[in-house]
Amino acid sequence: LAKTTQPISMDSYEGQEVNITCSHNNIATNDYITWYQQFPSQGPRFIIQGYKTKVTNEVASLFIPADRKSSTLSLPRVSLSDTAVYYCLVGGFSGGYQKVTFGTGTKLQVIP
Amino acid sequence: ETGVTQSPTHLIKTRGQQVTLRCSSQSGHNTVSWYQQALGQGPQFIFQYYREEENGRGNFPPRFSGLQFPNYSSELNVNALELDDSALYLCASSLDRVETQYFGPGTRLLVL
Repeated sequence: LAKTTQPISMDSYEGQEVNITCSHNNIATNDYITWYQQFPSQGPRFIIQGYKTKVTNEVASLFIPADRKSSTLSLPRVSLSDTAVYYCLVGGFSGGYQKVTFGTGTKLQVIP
Repeated sequence: ETGVTQSPTHLIKTRGQQVTLRCSSQSGHNTVSWYQQALGQGPQFIFQYYREEENGRGNFPPRFSGLQFPNYSSELNVNALELDDSALYLCASSLDRVETQYFGPGTRLLVL
């Protein structure tokens, strides 16, 4: 399973762009990268998913370099409601089985 | 369209007992994954079921077992409960084995 590493915590002021990086040095060829947001005592909520290069949706962007050994979640203009834990998930379908690994999570605190 | 639901929301058991947790997947989803999330930690993959068959398993002992039914709902069974089994148990469903997973709210289990 691909091991992932994220910063434990980050602080940001409201209205700023936040970038959270996840390292996954031993990512497998068919692994994809997914980011989730989690509030206390709730299930993780899907943010964005990608395989390579850049993916953008209405809430975030995901940057994946050519070697795929890391990925960066970019949240534009954060608000107080974005205070949560953000998880990087690396997983794929290999040999008939689904293998997934959650990262350690980054606790984002948005400051007024 | 209803999302992923789980029952019960909270549960208290004593060491050595057995527990069954239930999950109803999102409409049209044929794959269910279960995760254990200890307090302050990221979710850990337990196993995944695809069309009623186990499709992948994390590093959990055999006393963690599961079932998926023809309607794609699922159960997680844990035998011989230990104190360390106290955690939030999350269920996630997806359209297929490698598609985006959508999480339920979780079941909080406390083992005394």
